Amino acid sequence: NAGVTQTPKFQVLKTGQSMTLQCAQDMNHEYMSWYRQDPGMGLRLIHYSVGAGITDQGEVPNGYNVSRSTTEDFPLRLLSAAPSQTSVYFCASSYRDSSLGLYGYTFGSGTRLTVV
Amino acid sequence: TQLLEQSPQFLSIQEGENLTVYCNSSSVFSSLQWYRQEPGEGPVLLVTVVTGGEVKKLKRLTFQFGDARKDSSLHITAAQPGDTGLYLCAGARSSGSARQLTFGSGTQLTVLP
Repeated sequence: NAGVTQTPKFQVLKTGQSMTLQCAQDMNHEYMSWYRQDPGMGLRLIHYSVGAGITDQGEVPNGYNVSRSTTEDFPLRLLSAAPSQTSVYFCASSYRDSSLGLYGYTFGSGTRLTVV
Repeated sequence: TQLLEQSPQFLSIQEGENLTVYCNSSSVFSSLQWYRQEPGEGPVLLVTVVTGGEVKKLKRLTFQFGDARKDSSLHITAAQPGDTGLYLCAGARSSGSARQLTFGSGTQLTVLP
């Protein structure tokens, strides 16, 4: 099925470890984003990309890196995991509605990360 | 600072009741979207409203965008257990930056059979 695929679904890391959260979409969407979701905080933007080779920071980028070498993939790297990065991470891709000039988001099912 | 305030934060009702949830801001948004999120899944887009005063209906769900484009409401008629979920509003400041949505913290709705 077309959509946004995130792996892994669950992950436990020790403080200081690094890892990469994978995100892939097969809808040929230009825009991709990473959000984290914490209780009572809604979704907060970490990084986003407007196309292959172009990335930019969102609201909470510290401790995370991204790259966009292809349209399909947008991995999120945690450089040195900290307990404050315990969260649920969502990847989203978005399209442009040509008639309204708007962007609708398709989200992956999330990665639940625990840092101990 | 949360730009979009949603209320109530939690809502538990019986099947068949009506309910309204609110999304308020002091900022003007060019568009506003509503999502529903079920446990273990990502948010799913329900609707986008663009014009101040606009009303959109999706079966038993009615969405309204405030005249000043600072607030929105979601009304559910005759709620069913399948409506249970986290409802999120998300606003875009301008059409050019619509890919950078600002999300509210959500309303957790539970509909009891």
